[in-house]
Amino acid sequence: DAGITQSPRHKVTETGTPVTLRCHQTENHRYMYWYRQDPGHGLRLIHYSYGVKDTDKGEVSDGYSVSRSKTEDFLLTLESATSSQTSVYFCAIAKDGGGYSDTQYFGPGTRLTVL
Amino acid sequence: AQSVTQLGSHVSVSEGALVLLRCNYSSSVPPYLFWYVQYPNQGLQLLLKYTSAATLVKGINGFEAEFKKSETSFHLTKPSAHMSDAAEYFCAVSGAGQNFVFGPGTRLSVLP
Repeated sequence: DAGITQSPRHKVTETGTPVTLRCHQTENHRYMYWYRQDPGHGLRLIHYSYGVKDTDKGEVSDGYSVSRSKTEDFLLTLESATSSQTSVYFCAIAKDGGGYSDTQYFGPGTRLTVL
Repeated sequence: AQSVTQLGSHVSVSEGALVLLRCNYSSSVPPYLFWYVQYPNQGLQLLLKYTSAATLVKGINGFEAEFKKSETSFHLTKPSAHMSDAAEYFCAVSGAGQNFVFGPGTRLSVLP
């Protein structure tokens, strides 16, 4: 158990509405990540954080923003959801300092459907 | 830039048969390589990882993978498939100054 929870686990929303997904960890690790998973693409990095208020963009960051005001919480916001953002979203943490050799541990995922 | 290819989006094997899932990578820096498994409606779990200590890496559930630099490959094998191995498998690469890059995944089916 990686000590990661994601909420909500499922969400259906309409195009144009804002959506916030939450990732919570219980172990106070510095590095946290948001990915989206789509068939044929594997997982693609959206944003990541290397500390409170320290975030950076990943491969597919357009249309997404993040915030991290506490070590344990990493929020992903879709300011105005579009159908192309229908996906399964995974949060991950790195337990050993966030170096490139560190294993990432994943949460259970949030399935988001944008109608 | 790094990339990962996984040959075969879907692989079927009979129970008891050899499992071979292919992963090839490209990286401009010495790579760190990972295999993850995802069971339906769950997150990803680490199977094994290569961090340059040994080219043959043993993981959980009887899986192993061999790093071959000359072939830029990190194929995953298991001598004898079990029904519980049915899942999706992802190869990933990282390296100095690089974030994780995942392959598209291979769905493994195990036939009775």
